[in-house]
Amino acid sequence: AQKVTQAQTEISVVEKEDVTLDCVYETRDTTYYLFWYKQPPSGELVFLIRRNSFDEQNEISGRYSWNFQKSTSSFNFTITASQVVDSAVYFCALMDYGQNFVFGPGTRLSVLP
Amino acid sequence: NAGVTQTPKFQVLKTGQSMTLQCAQDMNHEYMSWYRQDPGMGLRLIHYSVGAGITDQGEVPNGYNVSRSTTEDFPLRLLSAAPSQTSVYFCASSYSRGRFRDEQYFGPGTRLTVT
Repeated sequence: AQKVTQAQTEISVVEKEDVTLDCVYETRDTTYYLFWYKQPPSGELVFLIRRNSFDEQNEISGRYSWNFQKSTSSFNFTITASQVVDSAVYFCALMDYGQNFVFGPGTRLSVLP
Repeated sequence: NAGVTQTPKFQVLKTGQSMTLQCAQDMNHEYMSWYRQDPGMGLRLIHYSVGAGITDQGEVPNGYNVSRSTTEDFPLRLLSAAPSQTSVYFCASSYSRGRFRDEQYFGPGTRLTVT
């Protein structure tokens, strides 16, 4: 069965601090995809990244970076030099090949000025 | 492209009433799905469809019906609303080919309150 755990319910940081959001997943499949979505206070869900299980290279996009480690079943998300606009709920999701998405419970990030 | 659209944005129902939440996408995506979002529980899958004429149940299907007569539309019907169905509902779609599915694109959501 698929499962996604985001152990951090809420995180609060001061602007310009770095912050890492943890995501641990469970799956029996060897082919799967991992995703991160952002839900700002306005409520929409914004796609951030997709990773497949065969690509363990870390990815960087501006201030965002993702660390995928199959050995620990983790797909962590780091925001460098956080900004107030990064305040949102962040969801990690898992999709086994041919199956449906399973979302984690989300981590609420508050970036204080 | 409008992407994924949902109507209405807000709705208040009385217990026992029925209604349909509308969802449409203009990206020619085969895969469409409905989720509900409740505090602290992430998004839970209600129903999904892998193409016109094909629907299936997700994690929390009770009390909801769906149909998919066209690629574009995927309405969600509440048969007899209950207070436990108070939630935010999201529709999503994604490109799919065989068993492969791409990332999902979400509509803006419908906030439903059942009194």
